[in-house]
Amino acid sequence: DAGVIQSPRHEVTEMGQEVTLRCKPISGHDYLFWYRQTMMRGLELLIYFNNNVPIDDSGMPEDRFSAKMPNASFSTLKIQPSEPRDSAVYFCASRQANYEQYFGPGTRLTVT
Amino acid sequence: AQKVTQAQTEISVVEKEDVTLDCVYETRDTTYYLFWYKQPPSGELVFLIRRNSFDEQNEISGRYSWNFQKSTSSFNFTITASQVVDSAVYFCALSEVGYSSASKIIFGSGTRLSIRP
Repeated sequence: DAGVIQSPRHEVTEMGQEVTLRCKPISGHDYLFWYRQTMMRGLELLIYFNNNVPIDDSGMPEDRFSAKMPNASFSTLKIQPSEPRDSAVYFCASRQANYEQYFGPGTRLTVT
Repeated sequence: AQKVTQAQTEISVVEKEDVTLDCVYETRDTTYYLFWYKQPPSGELVFLIRRNSFDEQNEISGRYSWNFQKSTSSFNFTITASQVVDSAVYFCALSEVGYSSASKIIFGSGTRLSIRP
């Protein structure tokens, strides 16, 4: 299995631009999670899906952030408009039921 | 509410020393899962172990061992004869099992472990 796939691996954009991060979970996993990691706040859970349905989005920082999961093999996290404080590493992870969670390699986002 | 506390922010030891990373958790559930993850300097998050709340047996995997004690709500991780390659940030995590089994994993703040040659 290829593991969790994220793209792009690095993204540099200017403030105000729209940013879209993509994730392909491991096949057969029914949960998908989006995390953000910064030095200041550590690893934060933004949102997670179960069977493509958003279950808890209480970690989404504000309305500029949105996430979708149109099917079992694809999810997006969108930031519009982006701000410098959104600079972080964004991880996608997937798991099956209550088993261990596997993380993608992350997307390093820099907003200038 | 669930919470994971890793009180040790940073630990530095000399190679070949044993080192224990502490993890204390809070949960109101009787059924839950505990995890450890490793994040090496390359940045990826690597799964190390999962333990359910009904299994208090200690686990050993090579130089790694884990001590789960429900009485003290702790799930500590020990590296024996540490090596430079063990240098990483280690995260402890907790997952409750809800009625719908829609559970999320909550991570501690991590312990940065540095092994000096």
